[in-house]
This record gives sequence, structure tokens and C-alpha cells, in this order.
Amino acid sequence: DAGITQSPRHKVTETGTPVTLRCHQTENHRYMYWYRQDPGHGLRLIHYSYGVKDTDKGEVSDGYSVSRSKTEDFLLTLESATSSQTSVYFCAIRPGQGSTEAFFGQGTRLTVV
Amino acid sequence: GEDVEQSLFLSVREGDSSVINCTYTDSSSTYLYWYKQEPGAGLQLLTYIFSNMDMKQDQRLTVLLNKKDKHLSLRIADTQTGDSAIYFCADSDGNKLVFGAGTILRVKS
Repeated sequence: DAGITQSPRHKVTETGTPVTLRCHQTENHRYMYWYRQDPGHGLRLIHYSYGVKDTDKGEVSDGYSVSRSKTEDFLLTLESATSSQTSVYFCAIRPGQGSTEAFFGQGTRLTVV
Repeated sequence: GEDVEQSLFLSVREGDSSVINCTYTDSSSTYLYWYKQEPGAGLQLLTYIFSNMDMKQDQRLTVLLNKKDKHLSLRIADTQTGDSAIYFCADSDGNKLVFGAGTILRVKS
């Protein structure tokens, strides 16, 4: 299994509080992604990174920010959590482009009450 | 931005073939992928096809690509109950990796 760890695995938080999810990899892969998975919407890309300090927005980036200060960690922050951000969040890593496979973490279930 | 669309549900009988369809909008897609998600798990790559190919076969899996219509399909031959899962189509133009909503495949014994 690819060395990718998401933390926490489960979190319940209150509306308006900041939340940070962590994705940690031991594979030294260049690309890291954050997705959210919701019924009927599949996986939607929030943000992604193509190197240290190199990040870009996905299709649902509003309300989220990311940071990647070192290769192994990609942090997703909800500045002020809302109930619409209740979801399962998946991190993925990928060594390169093209035919390279993306490896997924086990997911973080976030509930905003 | 890119958009990837799939039908949401497919039900087949064990032993039949399953065909899952996908359309995409990004004409700069270089690779297209099929991923599988089993309950409670992350996604795993099943197969991929390079955009200049029409077809790729891998054991029970056949991928067909119609680049003109931006249509991708995944055929699973002799579908088994263990194939029940959510199947995601995805495309990449390089850095980004964009997924469809997923197709729930239910296999009836």
C-alpha cells in the first residue's frame, strides 16, 4: 500500500470553527490532491499541489485553503466551517503525470454541526 | 473547466457483461482512467487509456475511447458479485485529475 495517511479519520466540529485536515505521505510523490465525496456528486477536486509551495484550485475551492511547505504534507484548512462542508474528504498522491496511478488515503469523515 | 459525466446506476446479472459509460469535456485530456471504489475504502486504479488509443483490453476489462465524441466506456465481461462497487471515470490534462460522479454497479446473483 502507498504510504499515505490522513488525520484525523473522523471529526465533528461546530459551525464557524476552523478545521485543518492533514495528508501525510512517505512516497516522495510530487502531486497531492484533496477531494470531497458527496452522494450524487462523486469526487470533486478542492485543491491540488504539484510541488512544494505550488498549489492550485479545483472546482470547489471556495471556503478552503491549502498549504504544502514540505513534500510529505498537504494541509487542507476550512477557515470557518459550514454545514455544507460536511463530507468525506480524500487525499490522493501521484508520482507524476500521464499513466501514473493516483493512490488514495482512507478518507476523513467531517461533520459540521 | 473540465467536466466528467457518468450515469449513476447500473444493475446486471452475474455472468452478464457490464458497460459503464462516461463523457468528458476537456479536449486537452491526455489520459483517461477508470477507478473502482469498494464500500468504506478509497479509490483504486483499474485501468487507463492514452488519448491517442481507441481501445485497450486488460483481462475482463475493455476500455473504448471515442475521442471525437469525447466518450469513454468500460466493459466488464462475465461480471461477478465481487465487481459490485462504484466505478469512477477520470481524466487528466497533466496536473489536474478530475473525476466523474461515479456509477454504482450492482451485480445480482
